[in-house]
Amino acid sequence: DAGITQSPRYKITETGRQVTLMCHQTWSHSYMFWYRQDLGHGLRLIYYSAAADITDKGEVPDGYVVSRSKTENFPLTLESATRSQTSVYFCASSESIREAGTDTQYFGPGTRLTVL
Amino acid sequence: GNSVTQMEGPVTLSEEAFLTINCTYTATGYPSLFWYVQYPGEGLQLLLKATKADDKGSNKGFEATYRKETTSFHLEKGSVQVSDSAVYFCALVRRSTGFQKLVFGTGTRLLVSP
Repeated sequence: DAGITQSPRYKITETGRQVTLMCHQTWSHSYMFWYRQDLGHGLRLIYYSAAADITDKGEVPDGYVVSRSKTENFPLTLESATRSQTSVYFCASSESIREAGTDTQYFGPGTRLTVL
Repeated sequence: GNSVTQMEGPVTLSEEAFLTINCTYTATGYPSLFWYVQYPGEGLQLLLKATKADDKGSNKGFEATYRKETTSFHLEKGSVQVSDSAVYFCALVRRSTGFQKLVFGTGTRLLVSP
């Protein structure tokens, strides 16, 4: 199916373990984003990518690693999970930034991560 | 810095009631403004947007007008339905060359009862 998908949808892990959240989009959008959603904070940007092999930090990047070897995939890795990383994670993509900031971002369904 | 302030929820309404969700912003320059909606168990979807002062965004019966003088972008709907129950996020992005991140408010939950 066309669109943006995330896997897994739910994940429970333990403190100190490595976890990778997957994001895949079928539109060939240039930009991809990772956000976390926490009560009282709305959505906060973790990392973004403007194209394959180009990534940059967002607002809350500590403890996370990203890569983008292919345009359609943008995995997010928690190298050593902590309880504070318990959250709902959303991936998003947008076609381009023709006029900066006006392009619609399309969001995936989210991954609910619990770190015990 | 750039920020968005939304009214606290939940907002509880009966079907066919009038809806207003307040949103005010602080930003350098003239940002673009957005309303996103998140239905239960789903990701966010763009509901409407406005890119300059006095623009009105509209979609699915929802409207919001970009008010530069009051730095506001309040969301309104004349007659809500049960299916409108969701969390609504106001957001902005600063208009500039190069990448500028979306800044979200904390979200307002709307509950509509039959």
